Amino acid sequence: EPEVTQTPSHQVTQMGQEVILRCVPISNHLYFYWYRQILGQKVEFLVSFYNNEISEKSEIFDDQFSVERPDGSNFTLKIRSTKLEDSAMYFCASSPHLDSSSYEQYFGPGTRLTVT
Amino acid sequence: SQKIEQNSEALNIQEGKTATLTCNYTNYSPAYLQWYRQDPGRGPVFLLLIRENEKEKRKERLKVTFDTTLKQSLFHITASQPADSATYLCALEGSGGSYIPTFGRGTSLIVHP
Repeated sequence: EPEVTQTPSHQVTQMGQEVILRCVPISNHLYFYWYRQILGQKVEFLVSFYNNEISEKSEIFDDQFSVERPDGSNFTLKIRSTKLEDSAMYFCASSPHLDSSSYEQYFGPGTRLTVT
Repeated sequence: SQKIEQNSEALNIQEGKTATLTCNYTNYSPAYLQWYRQDPGRGPVFLLLIRENEKEKRKERLKVTFDTTLKQSLFHITASQPADSATYLCALEGSGGSYIPTFGRGTSLIVHP
């Protein structure tokens, strides 16, 4: 069964450094998302991406964040200058299309980002 | 703003019993509601979606109800098994017509053998 994959599984970085989190969505899916989950907290939406552009973003997704789909398979989240409070699990998700029959999202296993 | 409430206390039940988890929401009238399962250190896994015009939905041992008057959804697992132990997340359709789900904090279910 196809699944969303994410690399790395765990990333440790120093405050102020740039990190790139990578995701390979399910191949025939058209919509891609990034979420984060701080330990013990709820899953929070960051950004959605469709047709090579951001379709929606949350207040969390400020100028230090960016997303890219550099080729036909990868979907990346870049954090330009990490802060301690960016430490969290980052989940990539994808969905095939958005019509009344299909709103569910398929999540990857996550990347645990630790900022020291 | 919309608010989703799920019981923060873990639900402990004995194997074979029916587990019932609650999701309450305020300040919103979503057209649909989803339930996800999340295991520790893993991403959420979609389980069921129920629409506002559906009172009940079933999938194998899972049943979801949606009461738009009470602004509440109940999630039932019948004949529970230790493998059902996980955190269960309720997610509402985004506000303003957004398809981005808003997640609750989830309720932890522990099924004892």
